[in-house]
Amino acid sequence: EPEVTQTPSHQVTQMGQEVILRCVPISNHLYFYWYRQILGQKVEFLVSFYNNEISEKSEIFDDQFSVERPDGSNFTLKIRSTKLEDSAMYFCASRTDGNAIYFGEGSWLTVV
Amino acid sequence: EDKVVQSPLSLVVHEGDTVTLNCSYEVTNFRSLLWYKQEKKAPTFLFMLTSSGIEKKSGRLSSILDKKELFSILNITATQTGDSAVYLCAPNYGNNRLAFGKGNQVVVIP
Repeated sequence: EPEVTQTPSHQVTQMGQEVILRCVPISNHLYFYWYRQILGQKVEFLVSFYNNEISEKSEIFDDQFSVERPDGSNFTLKIRSTKLEDSAMYFCASRTDGNAIYFGEGSWLTVV
Repeated sequence: EDKVVQSPLSLVVHEGDTVTLNCSYEVTNFRSLLWYKQEKKAPTFLFMLTSSGIEKKSGRLSSILDKKELFSILNITATQTGDSAVYLCAPNYGNNRLAFGKGNQVVVIP
């Protein structure tokens, strides 16, 4: 069964460093998302991406965050200068028209 | 502000019991409601509900949506230890933005 794949599964970084989280969405999907889940809290929407541009973003997704689809298969989330409060599980997700949103296994980011 | 309230927040049942999980929501521009199962990491898709009153079934799991009263139910019959997980309700609104609830934590003991 096709699945969303994410790398790395776990990353530890120092505060202030840049981090790039990578995702390979399901191949025929057109809509891409990033969500995050801080330990013990709800899953929160960050950003949606369609047709090579951001279609919607939450108040969490400030200027420190950016997304990119550098080629036909990858979808990345960059955090420019990480803060302690960016420590969370980051989920990539994708879907086709009218269908359910499928999530990857997540990238656990720890900022120290 | 969009609200998603799941109840009960946690429950412990014995294998073979039936579980009913509730999700009430208040979201603008509602499109559909999705249920996910979260064990260790990724939310795993269970159901997408778009129409009121039409039950969706997958094995021992079933779910239904009431768009008038703004709630959904997820049922699990003949529970097994593998059903132990957090079940997440997520109304889909706006530009396919999911608003997740806190989840229903289910523990099934042998």
